[in-house]
Amino acid sequence: GDSVTQTEGQVTVSESKSLIINCTYSATSIAYPNLFWYVRYPGEGLQLLLKVITAGQKGSSRGFEATYNKETTSFHLQKASVQESDSAVYYCARKGRGNYKPTFGKGTSLVVHP
Amino acid sequence: DAGVTQTPRHEVAEKGQTIILKCEPVSGHNDLFWYRQTKIQGLELLSYFRSKSLMEDGGAFKDRFKAEMLNSSFSTLKIQPTEPKDSAVYLCASSLGGGNYAEQFFGPGTRLTVL
Repeated sequence: GDSVTQTEGQVTVSESKSLIINCTYSATSIAYPNLFWYVRYPGEGLQLLLKVITAGQKGSSRGFEATYNKETTSFHLQKASVQESDSAVYYCARKGRGNYKPTFGKGTSLVVHP
Repeated sequence: DAGVTQTPRHEVAEKGQTIILKCEPVSGHNDLFWYRQTKIQGLELLSYFRSKSLMEDGGAFKDRFKAEMLNSSFSTLKIQPTEPKDSAVYLCASSLGGGNYAEQFFGPGTRLTVL
């Protein structure tokens, strides 16, 4: 079935260092899904960080980037220089075009140390 | 425009009680989702409505969890009877549905503690 696999558990990074959170998706039922990264900051609700609907395109927001790679079925989240305020839980998600429910990864907790 | 509203924000229940969580989706959205969020399992889908029709009822959650959507602007999630393992954050989300840009908008969640 449809699935999303992302870096599990907690990732700890020092401030100003680079970050990558891996995300791969299965392509069993939907060849070219829409891909999303959601984020939950401490004390806040889950919200959309960025989205890409076209293979080969890159999405960006708040200094984060993710490229939709259909060859490797990946959508890794990257940032060149993280800040303490980026500490949050990040979820990768896929959704088929049309009326399909989204599939989420299990979430990655990012802790940025000053 | 108002986002997704959930009430209550916090709920404490004794084992065996019945609790009802409420959700108001974004006006005009056709899809509504209920999720359970835990650190171990992440987001688990409990129910999915499309235009008020129940499309998925979450499989393993069927026996004690029941979601209803009485109209396009209001949904409830009933847990009966509650068990300590139900302690989690329950999220409601809505989206326009279909299309290429159907991102989800999430409510703030209800934190449930079952003693």
